Amino acid sequence: EADIYQTPRYLVIGTGKKITLECSQTMGHDKMYWYQQDPGMELHLIHYSYGVNSTEKGDLSSESTVSRIRTEHFPLTLESARPSHTSQYLCASSEYGGDGYTFGSGTRLTVV
Amino acid sequence: QQQVKQSPQSLIVQKGGISIINCAYENTAFDYFPWYQQFPGKGPALLIAIRPDVSEKKEGRFTISFNKSAKQFSLHIMDSQPGDSATYFCAARLRPQGNLIFGKGTKLSVKP
Repeated sequence: EADIYQTPRYLVIGTGKKITLECSQTMGHDKMYWYQQDPGMELHLIHYSYGVNSTEKGDLSSESTVSRIRTEHFPLTLESARPSHTSQYLCASSEYGGDGYTFGSGTRLTVV
Repeated sequence: QQQVKQSPQSLIVQKGGISIINCAYENTAFDYFPWYQQFPGKGPALLIAIRPDVSEKKEGRFTISFNKSAKQFSLHIMDSQPGDSATYFCAARLRPQGNLIFGKGTKLSVKP
């Protein structure tokens, strides 16, 4: 079944640790996105990609980085986690010019 | 000009009532208008969508009304149920890349 997967679902980590949030999709979508969202609140676009080796920063400034080495994989990395990074991170994908986004279930990150 | 303005921010409706969420836009380059529904702990999921050449689209208890001249569109939930309690996001797709611009969301609570 075509889908988009995010791991881990929940992560509690100490300040200063390096973390990578995983996102994979099986739909062959060219475009992928990372959003940051406080629970039930506005979606903030932090990174997006139009294809392999293409990455762009979104509307919300973020200390995270992303890479797109394979079409299906779009990981997000925080080199040094801080409590201000505590949030939900949502990954999404779409076809170029397609009708909409498919979202993953999100990673709930807590930095203590 | 790329914003999508959504209101209200929160909405409380009694079971069986009608829930109405409104969105407005300025950019005439938008060509597709989806609504997403998000339950706590989940990613947003496509609920219903409309193209600007149609004034209304109905799927079960959910209806989108679209007013192209006023640049407004709204979601109506008829016979609202407690299970409809969620955050709803309107969005607009920007030509030609297909990027979605999201409203800030409406938290709907349907009281039994």
